[in-house]
Amino acid sequence: DAGVIQSPRHEVTEMGQEVTLRCKPISGHDYLFWYRQTMMRGLELLIYFNNNVPIDDSGMPEDRFSAKMPNASFSTLKIQPSEPRDSAVYFCASSLIRNTEAFFGQGTRLTVV
Amino acid sequence: AQKVTQAQTEISVVEKEDVTLDCVYETRDTTYYLFWYKQPPSGELVFLIRRNSFDEQNEISGRYSWNFQKSTSSFNFTITASQVVDSAVYFCALSEANYGGSQGNLIFGKGTKLSVKP
Repeated sequence: DAGVIQSPRHEVTEMGQEVTLRCKPISGHDYLFWYRQTMMRGLELLIYFNNNVPIDDSGMPEDRFSAKMPNASFSTLKIQPSEPRDSAVYFCASSLIRNTEAFFGQGTRLTVV
Repeated sequence: AQKVTQAQTEISVVEKEDVTLDCVYETRDTTYYLFWYKQPPSGELVFLIRRNSFDEQNEISGRYSWNFQKSTSSFNFTITASQVVDSAVYFCALSEANYGGSQGNLIFGKGTKLSVKP
Protein backbone atom coordinates (compact mmCIF):
# COMPACT_ATOMS: atom_id res chain seq x y z
CA ASP A 1 0.00 0.00 0.00
CA ALA A 2 1.23 3.51 -0.76
CA GLY A 3 0.31 4.82 2.68
CA VAL A 4 -1.65 7.96 3.37
CA ILE A 5 -1.25 10.41 0.54
CA GLN A 6 -1.63 14.13 1.02
CA SER A 7 -1.56 16.92 -1.51
CA PRO A 8 -0.18 19.41 -2.00
CA ARG A 9 3.02 19.01 0.03
CA HIS A 10 3.51 22.74 0.19
CA GLU A 11 1.04 25.55 -0.26
CA VAL A 12 1.70 29.27 -0.16
CA THR A 13 -1.33 31.49 -0.42
CA GLU A 14 -2.37 35.03 0.25
CA MET A 15 -4.55 35.99 3.14
CA GLY A 16 -8.21 35.78 2.23
CA GLN A 17 -7.80 33.05 -0.34
CA GLU A 18 -9.46 29.67 -0.15
CA VAL A 19 -7.20 26.72 0.52
CA THR A 20 -8.09 23.06 -0.01
CA LEU A 21 -5.97 20.25 1.37
CA ARG A 22 -6.49 16.72 0.13
CA CYS A 23 -6.04 13.30 1.62
CA LYS A 24 -6.27 9.73 0.44
CA PRO A 25 -6.29 7.31 3.39
CA ILE A 26 -4.98 3.78 3.39
CA SER A 27 -7.45 1.49 1.68
CA GLY A 28 -9.64 -0.36 4.16
CA HIS A 29 -9.06 2.02 7.04
CA ASP A 30 -12.27 3.09 8.74
CA TYR A 31 -10.94 6.14 10.57
CA LEU A 32 -9.54 9.33 9.12
CA PHE A 33 -8.03 12.16 11.14
CA TRP A 34 -6.95 15.70 10.37
CA TYR A 35 -4.26 17.14 12.66
CA ARG A 36 -2.53 20.49 12.69
CA GLN A 37 1.02 20.97 13.97
CA THR A 38 2.44 24.30 15.11
CA MET A 39 5.35 25.20 17.32
CA MET A 40 3.08 26.85 19.86
CA ARG A 41 0.31 24.28 20.12
CA GLY A 42 1.98 21.07 19.00
CA LEU A 43 -0.15 18.40 17.34
CA GLU A 44 -3.83 19.08 17.72
CA LEU A 45 -6.75 17.11 16.36
CA LEU A 46 -9.05 19.12 14.13
CA ILE A 47 -11.64 16.53 13.13
CA TYR A 48 -12.02 12.83 12.61
CA PHE A 49 -14.28 10.60 10.57
CA ASN A 50 -15.49 7.06 11.04
CA ASN A 51 -16.78 5.36 7.89
CA ASN A 52 -16.92 8.76 6.17
CA VAL A 53 -19.06 10.30 8.93
CA PRO A 54 -17.64 13.17 10.99
CA ILE A 55 -17.51 12.07 14.63
CA ASP A 56 -15.79 14.89 16.45
CA ASP A 57 -15.11 18.32 14.97
CA SER A 58 -14.61 20.11 18.26
CA GLY A 59 -11.02 20.85 17.31
CA MET A 60 -11.92 22.83 14.22
CA PRO A 61 -10.77 26.35 15.11
CA GLU A 62 -13.67 28.29 13.64
CA ASP A 63 -16.21 28.38 10.87
CA ARG A 64 -13.55 29.18 8.34
CA PHE A 65 -12.50 25.55 8.54
CA SER A 66 -14.54 22.73 7.02
CA ALA A 67 -13.83 19.10 6.23
CA LYS A 68 -15.56 16.55 4.09
CA MET A 69 -15.21 12.89 3.33
CA PRO A 70 -17.39 12.13 0.32
CA ASN A 71 -16.17 8.55 0.07
CA ALA A 72 -13.85 6.09 1.78
CA SER A 73 -10.85 7.05 -0.30
CA PHE A 74 -10.88 10.83 -0.20
CA SER A 75 -11.13 13.69 2.25
CA THR A 76 -10.64 17.44 2.04
CA LEU A 77 -9.91 20.14 4.57
CA LYS A 78 -10.88 23.60 3.41
CA ILE A 79 -10.00 26.97 4.87
CA GLN A 80 -11.98 29.93 3.61
CA PRO A 81 -10.87 32.65 3.98
CA SER A 82 -7.33 31.81 5.05
CA GLU A 83 -5.42 33.91 7.58
CA PRO A 84 -1.70 34.10 8.46
CA ARG A 85 -2.35 32.35 11.79
CA ASP A 86 -3.50 29.29 9.85
CA SER A 87 0.10 28.72 8.76
CA ALA A 88 1.05 25.25 10.00
CA VAL A 89 1.69 21.71 8.90
CA TYR A 90 -1.55 19.83 8.36
CA PHE A 91 -1.45 16.07 8.69
CA CYS A 92 -3.97 13.53 7.59
CA ALA A 93 -3.89 10.09 9.20
CA SER A 94 -5.91 6.91 8.98
CA SER A 95 -6.38 3.86 11.16
CA LEU A 96 -7.91 0.48 10.59
CA ILE A 97 -10.22 0.44 13.60
CA ARG A 98 -10.75 2.46 16.73
CA ASN A 99 -7.85 2.86 19.15
CA THR A 100 -5.26 1.33 16.86
CA GLU A 101 -2.21 3.09 15.52
CA ALA A 102 -2.83 5.87 13.03
CA PHE A 103 -0.64 6.11 9.99
CA PHE A 104 0.21 9.61 8.92
CA GLY A 105 0.68 11.23 5.56
CA GLN A 106 3.70 13.39 4.91
CA GLY A 107 1.77 16.54 5.71
CA THR A 108 0.97 19.75 3.90
CA ARG A 109 2.99 22.78 4.91
CA LEU A 110 0.68 25.75 4.58
CA THR A 111 1.98 29.29 4.57
CA VAL A 112 -0.51 32.14 4.47
CA VAL A 113 1.07 35.52 3.71
CA ALA B 1 -9.72 15.00 31.26
CA GLN B 2 -7.20 13.23 29.08
CA LYS B 3 -3.71 14.65 28.90
CA VAL B 4 -0.20 13.60 27.94
CA THR B 5 2.82 15.32 29.44
CA GLN B 6 6.34 15.07 28.10
CA ALA B 7 8.28 17.20 30.52
CA GLN B 8 11.57 17.01 28.63
CA THR B 9 11.47 19.54 25.85
CA GLU B 10 14.93 18.80 24.50
CA ILE B 11 17.59 16.23 25.26
CA SER B 12 21.10 16.12 23.88
CA VAL B 13 23.34 13.06 24.17
CA VAL B 14 26.51 11.76 22.64
CA GLU B 15 26.35 8.74 20.39
CA LYS B 16 26.30 5.39 22.22
CA GLU B 17 24.77 6.87 25.34
CA ASP B 18 21.50 5.47 26.61
CA VAL B 19 18.61 7.92 26.84
CA THR B 20 15.14 7.73 28.37
CA LEU B 21 12.23 9.84 27.21
CA ASP B 22 9.54 10.36 29.81
CA CYS B 23 5.79 10.30 29.25
CA VAL B 24 3.10 10.79 31.89
CA TYR B 25 -0.58 10.54 31.05
CA GLU B 26 -3.93 11.35 32.62
CA THR B 27 -7.17 9.59 31.81
CA ARG B 28 -10.54 8.81 33.37
CA ASP B 29 -10.90 5.70 31.32
CA THR B 30 -10.07 2.20 32.52
CA THR B 31 -9.36 1.06 28.98
CA TYR B 32 -6.91 3.11 27.02
CA TYR B 33 -4.01 2.85 24.63
CA LEU B 34 -0.60 4.45 24.61
CA PHE B 35 1.60 5.15 21.63
CA TRP B 36 5.00 6.48 20.68
CA TYR B 37 5.71 8.20 17.39
CA LYS B 38 8.95 9.47 15.90
CA GLN B 39 9.19 12.61 13.78
CA PRO B 40 12.58 12.83 12.06
CA PRO B 41 13.82 16.10 10.53
CA SER B 42 12.10 15.18 7.27
CA GLY B 43 8.79 15.78 9.03
CA GLU B 44 6.76 12.61 8.71
CA LEU B 45 5.30 10.91 11.78
CA VAL B 46 6.39 7.31 12.18
CA PHE B 47 4.53 4.90 14.42
CA LEU B 48 6.77 3.04 16.89
CA ILE B 49 4.61 1.19 19.40
CA ARG B 50 1.10 0.75 20.83
CA ARG B 51 0.25 -0.65 24.27
CA ASN B 52 -3.12 -1.23 25.86
CA SER B 53 -3.90 -0.49 29.50
CA PHE B 54 -4.21 -4.16 30.41
CA ASP B 55 -0.75 -5.09 29.29
CA GLU B 56 1.99 -3.77 31.55
CA GLN B 57 4.71 -5.98 30.17
CA ASN B 58 7.75 -4.08 29.09
CA GLU B 59 8.61 -4.30 25.44
CA ILE B 60 11.95 -4.43 23.72
CA SER B 61 12.57 -3.98 20.02
CA GLY B 62 16.21 -3.89 19.12
CA ARG B 63 17.73 -0.82 20.79
CA TYR B 64 14.29 0.48 21.79
CA SER B 65 12.47 -0.45 24.96
CA TRP B 66 9.33 0.78 26.66
CA ASN B 67 8.41 0.75 30.33
CA PHE B 68 4.69 1.00 31.11
CA GLN B 69 3.75 1.58 34.76
CA LYS B 70 0.08 2.15 35.57
CA SER B 71 0.91 2.95 39.19
CA THR B 72 2.71 6.10 38.11
CA SER B 73 0.73 6.66 34.87
CA SER B 74 3.94 6.58 32.89
CA PHE B 75 5.01 5.08 29.60
CA ASN B 76 8.71 5.79 29.20
CA PHE B 77 10.84 5.10 26.15
CA THR B 78 14.51 4.15 26.31
CA ILE B 79 16.98 4.10 23.46
CA THR B 80 20.06 2.05 24.19
CA ALA B 81 23.37 2.91 22.54
CA SER B 82 21.91 5.91 20.74
CA GLN B 83 22.88 6.71 17.19
CA VAL B 84 22.87 9.92 15.18
CA VAL B 85 19.93 8.56 13.16
CA ASP B 86 17.86 8.54 16.34
CA SER B 87 17.83 12.34 16.28
CA ALA B 88 14.18 13.30 16.01
CA VAL B 89 11.20 14.59 17.93
CA TYR B 90 9.46 11.81 19.81
CA PHE B 91 5.78 12.02 20.68
CA CYS B 92 3.83 10.06 23.25
CA ALA B 93 0.07 9.77 22.65
CA LEU B 94 -3.04 8.49 24.39
CA SER B 95 -6.29 7.09 23.02
CA GLU B 96 -9.29 6.36 25.24
CA ALA B 97 -11.73 3.58 24.56
CA ASN B 98 -14.89 4.64 26.31
CA TYR B 99 -15.29 8.38 26.70
CA GLY B 100 -17.25 10.28 24.12
CA GLY B 101 -15.50 12.67 21.83
CA SER B 102 -12.06 11.29 22.36
CA GLN B 103 -12.88 7.73 21.46
CA GLY B 104 -10.47 6.49 18.89
CA ASN B 105 -8.45 9.62 18.40
CA LEU B 106 -4.91 10.30 19.57
CA ILE B 107 -4.07 12.94 22.13
CA PHE B 108 -0.44 13.88 21.73
CA GLY B 109 2.12 15.23 24.14
CA LYS B 110 4.21 18.23 23.13
CA GLY B 111 7.11 16.02 22.12
CA THR B 112 10.74 15.66 23.15
CA LYS B 113 13.43 16.71 20.73
CA LEU B 114 16.34 14.30 20.91
CA SER B 115 19.70 15.30 19.46
CA VAL B 116 22.36 12.63 19.24
CA LYS B 117 25.80 14.03 18.54
CA PRO B 118 28.62 11.99 17.01
